[in-house]
Amino acid sequence: ETGVTQTPRHLVMGMTNKKSLKCEQHLGHNAMYWYKQSAKKPLELMFVYSLEERVENNSVPSRFSPECPNSSHLFLHLHTLQPEDSALYLCASSQSVGRGGGEQYFGPGTRLTVT
Amino acid sequence: TQLLEQSPQFLSIQEGENLTVYCNSSSVFSSLQWYRQEPGEGPVLLVTVVTGGEVKKLKRLTFQFGDARKDSSLHITAAQPGDTGLYLCAGASNTGNQFYFGTGTSLTVIP
Repeated sequence: ETGVTQTPRHLVMGMTNKKSLKCEQHLGHNAMYWYKQSAKKPLELMFVYSLEERVENNSVPSRFSPECPNSSHLFLHLHTLQPEDSALYLCASSQSVGRGGGEQYFGPGTRLTVT
Repeated sequence: TQLLEQSPQFLSIQEGENLTVYCNSSSVFSSLQWYRQEPGEGPVLLVTVVTGGEVKKLKRLTFQFGDARKDSSLHITAAQPGDTGLYLCAGASNTGNQFYFGTGTSLTVIP
């Protein structure tokens, strides 16, 4: 595997389910990000991690819970979601955070549908 | 929230034509990036501009960062069908930890 991979690529879940999205980067980067891309809305940055520590949390509802066990892996745990949470969830990584941290490399995304 | 407005939202042109996409904001950014996203894929970085007034060229693509670092433009010369995609601009905050994405321009180049 190369670059940034995400699994699953597609997910359909009910509002009472619990599921997790997985992201893995094979680039040796120290920073990882979760974004949400909804139809007709700009990409929204959700969480930023640097060396497994969360550095940004942009007022995301608690039904989204991130986890970064090491610098190569990032998870997004989902529970009791709402239909409006249906979107493409993108993971990205960069060499580091902050100015001069390098470009972000994005994964292909997980298309989430909440029924 | 720092809003980035892109125009036009949709653009459909014939192969060989030129086009310009604009990215405007009332906020100042430490840097600005342009991405292209194809269906079913994540965005791919095209360029990063950092200095006000900076112009960067990438083959047929020319990127310009406004003098005040609030706006940017992307000009494509002699568009090709392979240029089809969603073009996104993104501004970085002063800390570099926050990225604000534009609303996107969906480009279709007809052979």
